[in-house]
Amino acid sequence: SQTIHQWPATLVQPVGSPLSLECTVEGTSNPNLYWYRQAAGRGLQLLFYSVGIGQISSEVPQNLSASRPQDRQFILSSKKLLLSDSGFYLCACGDRGLGGYTFGSGTRLTVV
Amino acid sequence: GESVGLHLPTLSVQEGDNSIINCAYSNSASDYFIWYKQESGKGPQFIIDIRSNMDKRQGQRVTVLLNKTVKHLSLQIAATQPGDSAVYFCAENMNDYKLSFGAGTTVTVRA
Repeated sequence: SQTIHQWPATLVQPVGSPLSLECTVEGTSNPNLYWYRQAAGRGLQLLFYSVGIGQISSEVPQNLSASRPQDRQFILSSKKLLLSDSGFYLCACGDRGLGGYTFGSGTRLTVV
Repeated sequence: GESVGLHLPTLSVQEGDNSIINCAYSNSASDYFIWYKQESGKGPQFIIDIRSNMDKRQGQRVTVLLNKTVKHLSLQIAATQPGDSAVYFCAENMNDYKLSFGAGTTVTVRA
């Protein structure tokens, strides 16, 4: 079964500072990878997804970017954080075609 | 945007009673549906899924019902326990690698 490692669990960053969140996957090869953001009391907003190394699709134009340097590594970045970037960030992994996701434990980001 | 929505944002249930969580979806082309449970501060966890060629599927204490005619999905939890308190999300897969999630229903179990 798939296991997703996501870190850090919590992060407090000042406005204008850079961001790098990393997600790694075990137990599968060539997975689809996803970054979601969840605002307090809200649903899951898809930010980026990747179907392979170097392949990134952006769902929402914003201050963030994503990269997939290795098959089982997915990175979420920002050059300059905004207050509105605060939220709960979740990495997820899925197989090809129809199917569900396995989620990581999330990173709570607070931009101050 | 999110194409899957939930009828009620909150549900309060007496311990031991059955819970029913509803979900309306808008895309009739969706082939696969999933219910997730998210406890506070954690990532969502898979509960149960159902494909569009079925109308009912049962798991341990949970049942998912799918009504394609009215594009409605429900999750039934039998004998609700305190550990069932969480946010429940339905999600649909339209076979394009992406799940679309609803806003979630917060279930609170009263002792």
